[in-house]
Amino acid sequence: SQELEQSPQSLIVQEGKNLTINCTSSKTLYGLYWYKQKYGEGLIFLMMLQKGGEEKSHEKITAKLDEKKQQSSLHITASQPSHAGIYLCGASNQAGTALIFGKGTTLSVSS
Amino acid sequence: EAGVTQSPTHLIKTRGQQATLRCSPISGHTSVYWYQQALGLGLQFLLWYDEGEERNRGNFPPRFSGRQFPNYSSELNVNALELEDSALYLCASSFSSSGTFFRLYFGPGTRLTVT
Repeated sequence: SQELEQSPQSLIVQEGKNLTINCTSSKTLYGLYWYKQKYGEGLIFLMMLQKGGEEKSHEKITAKLDEKKQQSSLHITASQPSHAGIYLCGASNQAGTALIFGKGTTLSVSS
Repeated sequence: EAGVTQSPTHLIKTRGQQATLRCSPISGHTSVYWYQQALGLGLQFLLWYDEGEERNRGNFPPRFSGRQFPNYSSELNVNALELEDSALYLCASSFSSSGTFFRLYFGPGTRLTVT
């Protein structure tokens, strides 16, 4: 079965610093989704990537799907306290019958 | 546009009891998904309903079951509750998937505590 591994598991950065979160799949990705979760709450959609090499940005967050379509990265520029939370990557399983998620990366931003 | 709603917000049950969790999807969405988020285990896929039918279930025992009603709202039932069922249960909805996945819209979750 397909698995998504996220790294790092947790991250503490100083406000204003840049950071990158990685998501590696054990199989080819046919659609990669990034979500953000505040602890104990629902998930907020950030962006979706479908094509190898695709890159999308929203405000100070940029996500990219690599050419071989087995890894995605999420980059935050000039981090702010509002960026703190849990970032999860999700992908369709090979059969297209479920959206599976990585275990998440917990981001803390110190001011 | 109203988002996905879930009820109750919190639920406290005793071992062996049954729990019923409810979800209302966004208007126009016909697919409903249930996920369990237990401490340290990440988001685990539970069930997917589309057009009133169960399309797929994750690796959970049969005491986890559910249904989708004609108005596309859904219910998750957990029988014979065990302590390890304590978790945040998240519901999500999307347009009908038909083998491909669309963006999922998540509800705020139901926190189930089993004592």
